[in-house]
Amino acid sequence: AQKITQTQPGMFVQEKEAVTLDCTYDTSDQSYGLFWYKQPSSGEMIFLIYQGSYDEQNATEGRYSLNFQKARKSANLVISASQLGDSAMYFCAMREGRDNFNKFYFGSGTKLNVKP
Amino acid sequence: DAGVIQSPRHEVTEMGQEVTLRCKPISGHDYLFWYRQTMMRGLELLIYFNNNVPIDDSGMPEDRFSAKMPNASFSTLKIQPSEPRDSAVYFCASSSGHPNYGYTFGSGTRLTVV
Repeated sequence: AQKITQTQPGMFVQEKEAVTLDCTYDTSDQSYGLFWYKQPSSGEMIFLIYQGSYDEQNATEGRYSLNFQKARKSANLVISASQLGDSAMYFCAMREGRDNFNKFYFGSGTKLNVKP
Repeated sequence: DAGVIQSPRHEVTEMGQEVTLRCKPISGHDYLFWYRQTMMRGLELLIYFNNNVPIDDSGMPEDRFSAKMPNASFSTLKIQPSEPRDSAVYFCASSSGHPNYGYTFGSGTRLTVV
């Protein structure tokens, strides 16, 4: 089974609007972490935001927030007030706790296009 | 901090040749990871090290691939002999090991085997 599933291969959003990128995960661990990365066309991978499995509040970093719904095993990324520079691939990732403490599993990514 | 440094940025080589990719992690990071990214398979973990010791190499596709970390500031990923299907972007990443922190990725090496 896939550890991380991103069901939206591509999305469009109008500049200045908000957009939600979906991510669901599969783990039987109680302790885990969820991450989002941005990959612009230049190719580098940029860390955006982190959510721990025991965190009660949704994580926020500037215009990025993570909508964490533990019971549904979803960790959607919300980008508010989209900018042209947000056009990129976005990857959801999970780190499972305990064994293989630092091994990440990545989803297949969502390509976001912001329209002017 | 200069971040994770990979070299070369681009590599074009002929099938059968040996290819060596290099990585310098962030100073103080105890974990180093090698990933491969292709359109078909996405991001795949090849191998990772903790304190210079290989911990999990289950993602290394075959014996043609080898990775070393002779010291805390340097790692190599070698492909010998290279094949066209090895064409991909290879990322090195490092981590302090703190559970709340993500990896810091290098800029990647785009390998093309012709």
